[in-house]
Amino acid sequence: DIQMTQSPSSLSASVGDRVTITCRASHSISSSLNWYQQKPGKAPNVLIYAASSLQSGVPSRFSGSGSGTDFTLTISSLQPEDFATYYCQQSYSIPWTFGQGTKVEIK
Amino acid sequence: EVQLVESGGDLVQPGGSLRLSCAASEFTFSRYWMGWVRQAPGKGLEWVANIKEDGGEKYYVDSVKGRFTISRDNAKNLLYLQMNSLRAEDTAVYYCARHGYYYFDNWGQGTLVTVSS
Repeated sequence: DIQMTQSPSSLSASVGDRVTITCRASHSISSSLNWYQQKPGKAPNVLIYAASSLQSGVPSRFSGSGSGTDFTLTISSLQPEDFATYYCQQSYSIPWTFGQGTKVEIK
Repeated sequence: EVQLVESGGDLVQPGGSLRLSCAASEFTFSRYWMGWVRQAPGKGLEWVANIKEDGGEKYYVDSVKGRFTISRDNAKNLLYLQMNSLRAEDTAVYYCARHGYYYFDNWGQGTLVTVSS
């Protein structure tokens, strides 16, 4: 199975900050990497698919990059509604696996 | 707007069975792969199973193989997850999700399964 490791596990940031979350795969997964946002008590929502493609309706302050084993999710200017937990997920091989999550909290 | 509504979650004893359902609407259900993802209380997300558009291919995470069965009824726009031999570690919110291109592009609100005596 491909293991996905996110860092950091949590971070504190202020509105307007630039935030970067990284995700590392245990084996190369090409560009088969997706990012999801989850707010408490709600289902996840996809932000980025195929490493860098922005899902329709997602604000452009979200961006993704990377290929192979190392990936990044960037929020260019953190907004109040962005405080949530973020997960990466590989769809390169079964079983699809998620990272452990990164909780973004208000500083 | 795509709608996915799960039902069937309940409190069940270890070793028991449960069938989850997911009612899909506002899209052509038979044209999409579908899946189940679960989340244990306070924990992260875990992919459980996927099923092809026509039901001809099914995939499972190792921890549920032989105990869970994913199926679908394209005439009724329904996705199912039959769960047998339930264990405490199966306790989670179970989400039904639609596949985009190798990712989940729409999710239901989830249904809670609690396995406890």
